[in-house]
Amino acid sequence: GDSVTQTEGPVTLSEGTSLTVNCSYETKQYPTLFWYVQYPGEGPQLLFKVPKANEKGSSRGFEATYNKEATSFHLQKASVQESDSAVYYCALSATGGYKVVFGSGTRLLVSP
Amino acid sequence: GALVYQYPRRTICKSGTSMRMECQAVGFQATSVAWYRQSPQKTFELIALSTVNSAIKYEQNFTQEKFPISHPNLSFSSMTVLNAYLEDRGLYLCGAPWGYEQYFGPGTRLTVL
Repeated sequence: GDSVTQTEGPVTLSEGTSLTVNCSYETKQYPTLFWYVQYPGEGPQLLFKVPKANEKGSSRGFEATYNKEATSFHLQKASVQESDSAVYYCALSATGGYKVVFGSGTRLLVSP
Repeated sequence: GALVYQYPRRTICKSGTSMRMECQAVGFQATSVAWYRQSPQKTFELIALSTVNSAIKYEQNFTQEKFPISHPNLSFSSMTVLNAYLEDRGLYLCGAPWGYEQYFGPGTRLTVL
């Protein structure tokens, strides 16, 4: 079945440093790829989605490129802030959004 | 815009009792609703996918006998956790697809005593 593997956390950074969270996926179909962010006590919020290979998604300074050849969708941010501390989930849907397969999540801790 | 609400946000039940949670889609038609569980320190597991006027499809390790789901119309779904035990605790999410993405509610957090 479909699966998503991402960087195991926690990832601890200082404000102003750069972030990369690796994400790789497996599916025999043509998925839409997502990054979600979850804050304590809340459900996951969509950060951005990319439905097509070789395209880039971005939001709030975060970005990721849908690399079909490498089956990767790494999350990057040039300069993190303390408010970025949260759990980040890479996910895919190969069913038009009907079922979403999540990675295990990566906890990001940013210190001031 | 498209929004998904869940009720209650938090609930506590005694071990062996049952608990019903609700999911409401606002601003779009939820022809399908997916229910997920996030156990402590874990990721989101799909419990089942419910489609109006169609059979509910449960994932492996989840059954209708344990997690009965109702999806009577295009805006509402409910799921019950029957005979809840400690391993059932966690955040229960509902999600509804719209425009090639799934909109999630904030979740119902279940604590089992």
